[in-house]
Amino acid sequence: AQKVTQAQTEISVVEKEDVTLDCVYETRDTTYYLFWYKQPPSGELVFLIRRNSFDEQNEISGRYSWNFQKSTSSFNFTITASQVVDSAVYFCALSEVKGANNLFFGTGTRLTVIP
Amino acid sequence: EAQVTQNPRYLITVTGKKLTVTCSQNMNHEYMSWYRQDPGLGLRQIYYSMNVEVTDKGDVPEGYKVSRKEKRNFPLILESPSPNQTSLYFCASSLGLARSPLHFGNGTRLTVT
Repeated sequence: AQKVTQAQTEISVVEKEDVTLDCVYETRDTTYYLFWYKQPPSGELVFLIRRNSFDEQNEISGRYSWNFQKSTSSFNFTITASQVVDSAVYFCALSEVKGANNLFFGTGTRLTVIP
Repeated sequence: EAQVTQNPRYLITVTGKKLTVTCSQNMNHEYMSWYRQDPGLGLRQIYYSMNVEVTDKGDVPEGYKVSRKEKRNFPLILESPSPNQTSLYFCASSLGLARSPLHFGNGTRLTVT
């Protein structure tokens, strides 16, 4: 069965520090997709990135970067030079190609960036 | 503007009083789903629908009903709400493929006393 684990419940960093949010997943499928979502204090859920299981290239978007390692079943998210606006709950999620294509979420990591 | 619209945003009710949370999307998406978010538990799926008249249970369906009579609408019905259904609810839609990101509504905060 599929499972997504975000072991870090809460993280606090001082502004301009780098921070990495961990995500470990379990699946029996060979083809799957991984996602990261952001939930700012206003409450909406914002899609950040998608990665498929055949693409292990790291991705960088501005201050955000993602490290996908199939060997360790991890899809970690790093924020460089954090800012107060990065304060949010971040969710990692998994979607398997087989079945109904439902999205399974981790329990989330609450990031607080202290000015 | 492409969006998923949920109503109401906030709802306070009493145990046993039937309620409906509406959800509508304007993106012609095949797939729609309801999630509830609780502290420490993340987002858990309640029900989903792959298309009109096709619905199925998610991980926590007890106490909820849904219907999909039209492609754009996917209401969540609580026939007899109980306090353990106090939660933040999200409706979402997508193209229905594994690679398709979900588009979420803004959430409905439900309190059952």
